[in-house]
Amino acid sequence: KAGVTQTPRYLIKTRGQQVTLSCSPISGHRSVSWYQQTPGQGLQFLFEYFSETQRNKGNFPGRFSGRQFSNSRSEMNVSTLELGDSALYLCASSLLTGNEKLFFGSGTQLSVL
Amino acid sequence: SQQGEEDPQALSIQEGENATMNCSYKTSINNLQWYRQNSGRGLVHLILIRSNEREKHSGRLRVTLDTSKKSSSLLITASRAADTASYFCATDKEGGANSKLTFGKGITLSVRP
Repeated sequence: KAGVTQTPRYLIKTRGQQVTLSCSPISGHRSVSWYQQTPGQGLQFLFEYFSETQRNKGNFPGRFSGRQFSNSRSEMNVSTLELGDSALYLCASSLLTGNEKLFFGSGTQLSVL
Repeated sequence: SQQGEEDPQALSIQEGENATMNCSYKTSINNLQWYRQNSGRGLVHLILIRSNEREKHSGRLRVTLDTSKKSSSLLITASRAADTASYFCATDKEGGANSKLTFGKGITLSVRP
């Protein structure tokens, strides 16, 4: 069974641009969660989607958004990028809820210049 | 804010020794999980312990949970160089509708060959 796939693996953007990251969960998993990881703040929860509905949202500004498609694939978008958005963005899938065993992708390393 | 906090922040041991890592949390939980992360990669789930359990084993891993002290420990026995990684505890807060999994900032474990 294929694992969680995140694309792209690396991304370099400049301030003010927008970016879309993609996540394909493990087949059969219906919950997809997104986390931002930085050296200073650790892992911060962004949002969780379940059956195309946002189930939970973290304390991030409205520039961060996401969606989930009918095949459970998910995308997250960051608009008007800031230097502080540089981070490793991790996607995780789970069978039902985002509170049980999570399976993580390798992440997208975003650098904002 | 971080729900779980691990200590120590960094640990360096010799191959073959045991490694003990601790996690404290603030509010009542449904479950507590430990994850491992190799440098720049996604997290890998190690073990989940529920609030009504006191101890769980998985291979060389032993996890304990003390809900009265709001703390957990992860013991890795007979450590190997391949155990070198960051270790995170994550908690699922009790009672919250649509609660999310909250991660600590992690412990960096170095196992010297």
